[in-house]
Amino acid sequence: DTAVSQTPKYLVTQMGNDKSIKCEQNLGHDTMYWYKQDSKKFLKIMFSYNNKELIINETVPNRFSPKSPDKAHLNLHINSLELGDSAVYFCASSQEKAFSSYNEQFFGPGTRLTVL
Amino acid sequence: AQRVTQPEKLLSVFKGAPVELKCNYSYSGSPELFWYVQYSRQRLQLLLRHISRESIKGFTADLNKGETSFHLKKPFAQEEDSAMYYCALGLGGSNYKLTFGKGTLLTVNP
Repeated sequence: DTAVSQTPKYLVTQMGNDKSIKCEQNLGHDTMYWYKQDSKKFLKIMFSYNNKELIINETVPNRFSPKSPDKAHLNLHINSLELGDSAVYFCASSQEKAFSSYNEQFFGPGTRLTVL
Repeated sequence: AQRVTQPEKLLSVFKGAPVELKCNYSYSGSPELFWYVQYSRQRLQLLLRHISRESIKGFTADLNKGETSFHLKKPFAQEEDSAMYYCALGLGGSNYKLTFGKGTLLTVNP
């Protein structure tokens, strides 16, 4: 019944490994996002996809590759993990209408990634 | 470039006291402003948006274009208001995105 879900909830891995985080939304939204929340709780957008197409890429290293098999899913694959990638990653979705002020983003529970 | 500033990283008040979480923005166009809240061990969720001019859980926020501010206020804080609060600026159009402030951790003491 959960609107936006992410798996796994926790991910602990070694430097240099490749890992993926999955996100699914059952709200019928067209747009999905990935955010990174660092240790100081600063929340920054990484990517957004609209109907499976990349819309925003906020100067994220190309080790991070989002993949959207359909508009209900936006997965995040990270290659060659580094210590600085340790953070909480949030997925979100929304049904935006251009120039509307009623846009609301619905967030997933987050995935805490720890790189050792 | 758009920017959202929340000057207070931490804010601590006693139950029943008024609380104000500050938010200033910098954007040359017409802003869309939101407050999001993250309670302990819960996901981030929308608290309120400026266009609705609503009061949610006793919180209100007024957009002041002259001062470019969108401060969040509540006259009587409750312990359950303790959470991380993020002010966010939404930019419309085909590349819609939210720019978040760095957040303010509110602690309401008994």
